[in-house]
Parts: sequence; structure tokens; C-alpha cells
Amino acid sequence: EPEVTQTPSHQVTQMGQEVILRCVPISNHLYFYWYRQILGQKVEFLVSFYNNEISEKSEIFDDQFSVERPDGSNFTLKIRSTKLEDSAMYFCASSEAPGGRETQYFGPGTRLLVL
Amino acid sequence: DQQVKQNSPSLSVQEGRISILNCDYTNSMFDYFLWYKKYPAEGPTFLISISSIKDKNEDGRFTVFLNKSAKHLSLHIVPSQPGDSAVYFCAAFDSGTYKYIFGTGTRLKVLA
Repeated sequence: EPEVTQTPSHQVTQMGQEVILRCVPISNHLYFYWYRQILGQKVEFLVSFYNNEISEKSEIFDDQFSVERPDGSNFTLKIRSTKLEDSAMYFCASSEAPGGRETQYFGPGTRLLVL
Repeated sequence: DQQVKQNSPSLSVQEGRISILNCDYTNSMFDYFLWYKKYPAEGPTFLISISSIKDKNEDGRFTVFLNKSAKHLSLHIVPSQPGDSAVYFCAAFDSGTYKYIFGTGTRLKVLA
């Protein structure tokens, strides 16, 4: 069964450093998403991406964040100048079509710890 | 501003009995609802969904009920199995913004 993969599984970084979280969505999917879950809190939507541009983004997704599809397979989330409060589990997801009519398939997540 | 609420952070149920997980929402514009299951160290996995035009959807041991007037949905698992032990997230889809709004999750523990 096809699956979404994410690397690395864990990342530890110093405050102020840049991190890039990588995702490989399911190959025939066209819509890509990033979510995060701060420990003990709800899963929060960050951004959706389609046709090489951002479709929607939440209030959390400020100028510190950026997404990119650098090639035909990867989908990345870059966090510039990380802050302590960026420590969370970051989930990538992909779907064939937007909307609730198609389920989103989630990756296993990258646990980011900012020290 | 919690538009989707799961007021029970945890639930314990005996194996073979029914598990009922509840979810409340505030935005009447939500038109699609989903339940996800999450095991430790894994991403959320889609479980079952329901459109706002229905009040019930069933898939094997899992049934989701939607009460639009009360803005409430519930997930029933019967019979519950130890492998069902996980965190269950309710999510609402806003077709106006293409965003999923997740609840905080309920940790289900099925006791053997």
C-alpha cells in the first residue's frame, strides 16, 4: 500500500537555526499539507499546497515558515530561525483531490525539538 | 477558539464492549467530518467519515453518528478490541477554506 514518508523521524536543533523537514507524498497525489501537534495539544493545520503554490495557510504559518516542492517527489517545510515553541510533531499529508471527499494520507511525522 | 472539541481526554473500555467517543463542533459551515486513529510514533490514520447530509455511516465495527442540530458527532466501536487502543481525533472539514480542524483527541484504552 502506498504511503507518505517523512525524514528525519527526529530532529534536534538550537534555537535560531534553520530546519528543513522532508516529505515524500504518495506519487499520484496532487495536494499536500503540513500539520503540527505540540505535545499534549491538538493537531493544527499549517498549510496546503497545490500546483506549486500555497492554497491555504493558517495563522501559525507566518514568514518563518515556507514550503517547497523542489522536485517531482519531495515536499519540504522550512522553518527559519527556529523558536522554542516550534518544538512539535510535524505531519505531512497528501491527497488525490482537495477537500473532505478524499481522505488525506498522513506520514509518520517528524519530531522537532528546539533547544 | 476551539471549533472542534473532544471533551474526554481518555476513555477505558473492556474488550468486547462498546466504545463511544464524542466530538462537538461550533461551526455550522462544517460539512464533512472524519475520525482518525493515531498510534504512538505514527501519523494519524483515516478511520471513517460522514457527510453533513447523512446522520450515520457504518464501516464494520465502526459507526459514526452525526447530530447536526446538536453539532455533535460520535464514533462507536463495537466490539472493542485491544488493538483499538489509540488516540482518536475528530476532524471537521471546512469546504470554504479547505481546512481540516482537529479536536484534541481522546485516548482510548481497551482492556483485555
